[in-house]
Amino acid sequence: DQQVKQNSPSLSVQEGRISILNCDYTNSMFDYFLWYKKYPAEGPTFLISISSIKDKNEDGRFTVFLNKSAKHLSLHIVPSQPGDSAVYFCAASSIGSYGKLTFGQGTILTVHP
Amino acid sequence: SAVISQKPSRDICQRGTSLTIQCQVDSQVTMMFWYRQQPGQSLTLIATANQGSEATYESGFVIDKFPISRPNLTFSTLTVSNMSPEDSSIYLCSVGRGAVESTDTQYFGPGTRLTVL
Repeated sequence: DQQVKQNSPSLSVQEGRISILNCDYTNSMFDYFLWYKKYPAEGPTFLISISSIKDKNEDGRFTVFLNKSAKHLSLHIVPSQPGDSAVYFCAASSIGSYGKLTFGQGTILTVHP
Repeated sequence: SAVISQKPSRDICQRGTSLTIQCQVDSQVTMMFWYRQQPGQSLTLIATANQGSEATYESGFVIDKFPISRPNLTFSTLTVSNMSPEDSSIYLCSVGRGAVESTDTQYFGPGTRLTVL
């Protein structure tokens, strides 16, 4: 049972344009969501998070949007840069889980110069 | 965020043997987590290691296969026992505050890439 889903295995974007990565979840108990970036041969790096009491959170070029009614979140990267090319994972946790994360399958983002 | 190191960074092992992976953090942390990423797959939580208590394993993972130690607040080990090729994965440790509320960001080590022949 995949509780966190990233339905797009890959995304290709031109440098300077917007990258939009999507994530859906099924568990209504999830109330905290995170995005991680992962380069090959490295561990995941935390990017940005959002609590279920918000619908948007910004940090520089990164913005995460949360639509609780649709159980959907998205990560926007503007403008995209070649260094953003990596695998992006969304993850979720719930109250009482002591921070345990459930991850999506990941989306490979390629930003072309 | 904490600085996390793992040893070894990679290893190639023969089936039937065991490998112990070390995770060291530069500051004291409450919770340490062990994840597995099989080839082409997502990250799956193996167990949660809280200092001074037994590790808590997720469904599908058992202590006999993945024994964990947590001797202090900065160190943990995960052993992959009696390995088979299906254990070939990246093994990652992460740390968090372990607060009962969910708004806790985890930070990950660089991972250990294990290949079992």
